[in-house]
Formats: sequence, C-alpha cells, structure tokens
Amino acid sequence: ELKVEQNPLFLSMQEGKNYTIYCNYSTTSDRLYWYRQDPGKSLESLFVLLSNGAVKQEGRLMASLDTKARLSTLHITAAVHDLSATYFCAVVPNFGNEKLTFGTGTRLTIIP
Amino acid sequence: SQTIHQWPATLVQPVGSPLSLECTVEGTSNPNLYWYRQAAGRGLQLLFYSVGIGQISSEVPQNLSASRPQDRQFILSSKKLLLSDSGFYLCAWSLPGQANTEAFFGQGTRLTVV
Repeated sequence: ELKVEQNPLFLSMQEGKNYTIYCNYSTTSDRLYWYRQDPGKSLESLFVLLSNGAVKQEGRLMASLDTKARLSTLHITAAVHDLSATYFCAVVPNFGNEKLTFGTGTRLTIIP
Repeated sequence: SQTIHQWPATLVQPVGSPLSLECTVEGTSNPNLYWYRQAAGRGLQLLFYSVGIGQISSEVPQNLSASRPQDRQFILSSKKLLLSDSGFYLCAWSLPGQANTEAFFGQGTRLTVV
C-alpha cells in the first residue's frame, strides 16, 4: 500500500524567512503533485513533477523531486502572509493503478 | 476547456437519511474520476476512483458507494448516513495516460450529519 508522509504537519514561520516542507513516499513513482488548500476551500494545483531531478518554481515556491530517494521538497523563500495555507503532496504509483494518494498535509502559518 | 461541477456545496442531513452527491466533468472524455473525503483539519482520504463507466474501485470499507452511470458523471451515495460521514467531500478528475497533467478538483460539498 502506497504511503505518503509529509513533515512537518504544522509550521509557523515569520515573514521573510525560508523553510522547506518534505514529502516522502513508499513506492516507485515519477508522478508527484503539489497542491494548496485555503481554509474551507477546494484544492488548487501548484506543481507537477514528472522525472528525477525535476524542479519547478513559481514566485516564492520551488518544488523538486528525487525519485531515487522517493522524496519531494517544497521550498518557501522569503515567506509572505499570503502563503498561509495547507500544502499537500500527492503521488501516483508507476505501476498498477491510477490511484492519486495524498500526503498528510502541512499547515503553514506565516506570522507578520 | 475542461470544467468540473460538484453539488450541492453544503448539505445538512439527519443520521439514517440517504445521500447522493453528484459530480460531472465537461470538456473531456474518459477521465479518471475520484471521490475524496476530508475530515475537519485532516488530510484527504481516497474513497473511490474510476477509470471508466461502471468501473469503480473502493478504497475504504464503509457505508458509502459510488457509481459511474455515464462517462463524465460520478455519484457518491449512502443508504443510511452515520455521524462519522460528516466531512468535506471532493470530486476530482484526471486524464488517463496523461502523466503530465494533474488532477483537478471540484469545489467540494460540506456534509454535516446531525
């Protein structure tokens, strides 16, 4: 059974600081996605990572994928309040099915 | 362009009542379809996914069921709701065999069982 774990689960950080969210998964996959969820809302797609070494950047967020380590990171640079949200990674395994399995989520709070 | 519709947005139902949530996708054919549930402050639990009409994979034993009567229609049902069925239900679709695109989510249904 595919397991997807994120850490930390909760993160409070000051504006202007940098931090990284980690996503580990338990099976072979080169399809990893990052989503953002605002309170009470649905999920918004942030990044699609499809190969080992893939790196995507949008504004203050940068995501990377290491398929050999089964690890993805979401790096936040010079955080601003608007980035406060819950961030999820999600994985589709390479073999067997099209199940999109989500991580536990990281609730990010940016403190002024 | 593709769009996904999910309704209703909010629902309050008594324990023991039936449930029917509907999700439809426009602008694409033969999508993969998913139902997720999210308890308050928690992650997303995959309930069902479907790769074609009448093909439903169930992930969690429960009193819920899903059906896909048409290519772009996915329905989540229950005959008798439990208090534990409360949560935020999300429908999603993705393109099969198109690994370079993500899954896209509907706006969700917030279900409260009382």
